[in-house]
Amino acid sequence: DARVTQTPRHKVTEMGQEVTMRCQPILGHNTVFWYRQTMMQGLELLAYFRNRAPLDDSGMPKDRFSAEMPDATLATLKIQPSEPRDSAVYFCASGFLVAGDSYEQYFGPGTRLTVT
Amino acid sequence: SQQGEEDPQALSIQEGENATMNCSYKTSINNLQWYRQNSGRGLVHLILIRSNEREKHSGRLRVTLDTSKKSSSLLITASRAADTASYFCATDAQLKGEKLTFGTGTRLTIIP
Repeated sequence: DARVTQTPRHKVTEMGQEVTMRCQPILGHNTVFWYRQTMMQGLELLAYFRNRAPLDDSGMPKDRFSAEMPDATLATLKIQPSEPRDSAVYFCASGFLVAGDSYEQYFGPGTRLTVT
Repeated sequence: SQQGEEDPQALSIQEGENATMNCSYKTSINNLQWYRQNSGRGLVHLILIRSNEREKHSGRLRVTLDTSKKSSSLLITASRAADTASYFCATDAQLKGEKLTFGTGTRLTIIP
């Protein structure tokens, strides 16, 4: 049963520290997405890749966030320096083309980040 | 920004009853999808309806799409306690099919 995996599942850190979240997409999926979910803002798309190439990171604060996909089995989201307002659940999802131009996404369990 | 807006924001019904959730969106789409999120978990894909379809069924799920009104509904029949979750609609922009924009979600509670 193929799944998207994310590590760590929970992270508590102090303001100013670097945070790195990792995601292993489902093998064969050619798109990878990073989302952030909060009560106030809901689910926000931060960045996404197709065939490991970054396509859109317009939802990401560029001064402190960076997303990379060093190989097909690993995507990373880094925050440096972290701030309390970054506290949220961060989801990775991988997607594949269902038919024509329609993609279906599979979500990981999320990383719950708390910045104090 | 949110493309889709679900209505109602929260819904509580008795087990066995039907639950209907609505979604409105703003721009033209290729398809609309519905996802479920259990508390503390990631989203799970439920069903996809293409812009040229009006209705689709999957088990106890029935989805309708009205592109002229830019709206969709998700009906869950014969609800079960396990259906308790948040439900989100997601739309794609016509030129970027892989990028989904999620709505605000409907929190569904099934009372045993």
